[in-house]
Amino acid sequence: DQQVKQNSPSLSVQEGRISILNCDYTNSMFDYFLWYKKYPAEGPTFLISISSIKDKNEDGRFTVFLNKSAKHLSLHIVPSQAGDSAVYFCAASAQGGGGADGLTFGKGTHLIIQP
Amino acid sequence: EAGVTQFPSHSVIEKGQTVTLRCDPISGHDNLYWYRRVMGKEIKFLLHFVKESKQDESGMPNNRFLAERTGGTYSTLKVQPAELEDSGVYFCASSLFRATGELFFGEGSRLTVL
Repeated sequence: DQQVKQNSPSLSVQEGRISILNCDYTNSMFDYFLWYKKYPAEGPTFLISISSIKDKNEDGRFTVFLNKSAKHLSLHIVPSQAGDSAVYFCAASAQGGGGADGLTFGKGTHLIIQP
Repeated sequence: EAGVTQFPSHSVIEKGQTVTLRCDPISGHDNLYWYRRVMGKEIKFLLHFVKESKQDESGMPNNRFLAERTGGTYSTLKVQPAELEDSGVYFCASSLFRATGELFFGEGSRLTVL
């Protein structure tokens, strides 16, 4: 039973345009959400996070939006650059307790930036 | 400052054999996690150490897996005996504080069981 779902295995976007990656979750105990980026043969690296008390967090070209009522979050990358091509993982945790200590990850979305 | 390092980067063993994976976290990070990613699937939590104590091992698949962190520094994950379904990439991650959830991952140890 997947608690964090990334329904798009891959996404192709033209360089300079906006990339929107989506993530849905089912566990209402989750109160902290993160995005990780992963290049081949490397470990995931932290990108951006958002607490459930907020609905938006921005860091440079990256913005994460959280819609708690819909249990949905999205990562926007504007403008997309060639180096953004990677697999993006959505992750969630229950900081307030009630779940495992670790992060719960989605299956990832492979973002491909086209020239 | 050195990041999280894992050894070996790739191990190929036969079913029934034993493999030990090692993780050196970032110096000073009390929190150490093991995760596993089976081909094409999500990255799954295995267990969490705070210093040398196991805080949560709810993700460990079965008793063929044994994790240790003696002295609260490096950690080992032993699989004995290995089965075909144990194949995947084993990631180690560390963090200074648990609460933020931001983890620093190693490059992973790829395990192939034939």
